[in-house]
Amino acid sequence: DAGVIQSPRHEVTEMGQEVTLRCKPISGHNSLFWYRQTMMRGLELLIYFNNNVPIDDSGMPEDRFSAKMPNASFSTLKIQPSEPRDSAVYFCASSLGTGFNQPQHFGDGTRLSIL
Amino acid sequence: AQTVTQSQPEMSVQEAETVTLSCTYDTSESNYYLFWYKQPPSRQMILVIRQEAYKQQNATENRFSVNFQKAAKSFSLKISDSQLGDTAMYFCAFFSGGGADGLTFGKGTHLIIQP
Repeated sequence: DAGVIQSPRHEVTEMGQEVTLRCKPISGHNSLFWYRQTMMRGLELLIYFNNNVPIDDSGMPEDRFSAKMPNASFSTLKIQPSEPRDSAVYFCASSLGTGFNQPQHFGDGTRLSIL
Repeated sequence: AQTVTQSQPEMSVQEAETVTLSCTYDTSESNYYLFWYKQPPSRQMILVIRQEAYKQQNATENRFSVNFQKAAKSFSLKISDSQLGDTAMYFCAFFSGGGADGLTFGKGTHLIIQP
């Protein structure tokens, strides 16, 4: 079975550029999460969608970050303009719901480096 | 807000030994799930084990088991007969479903299994 698919695996770009990260959740899953992992902060939840609707974006660090989920099979996380401190690994995860008995399945992550 | 604390940034043991990774958390919720995730160098997050807070019996998955102390808000992971492939980052995670429904992770413990 295909898991959560993220692209690209690696992204290196110069500060000031727009960066778009992509995620395809597991088919049938109706919840999607974006996480950011850094050595300083560990793994942080950025935003969460349920049935394509953003439920909680309180973890989005600032207005430079935006996320969309135009349909059940695709989500993007965009950073514009990017800054060196945005360098991190960004994970996408999906689950069947928000119930207690539904673990989250993570993608392989996108390693983002802003020079 | 929930917090998860992993007090051991790094641990190293010899192959075949037993190792215990500690995790404490803080919450006002009465019903929740706790997880241990493994992150090998490939960066893919792998669910190792999970525990429902309302269950008193400690969860076990092959060589992995937990010591769940609800009153103490402690959730340690024991790995028996450790193997070289167990070398990875281990994240303790909390899930309550309230507020932001994503997982709250600890910062991780880097476990090194020495040959």
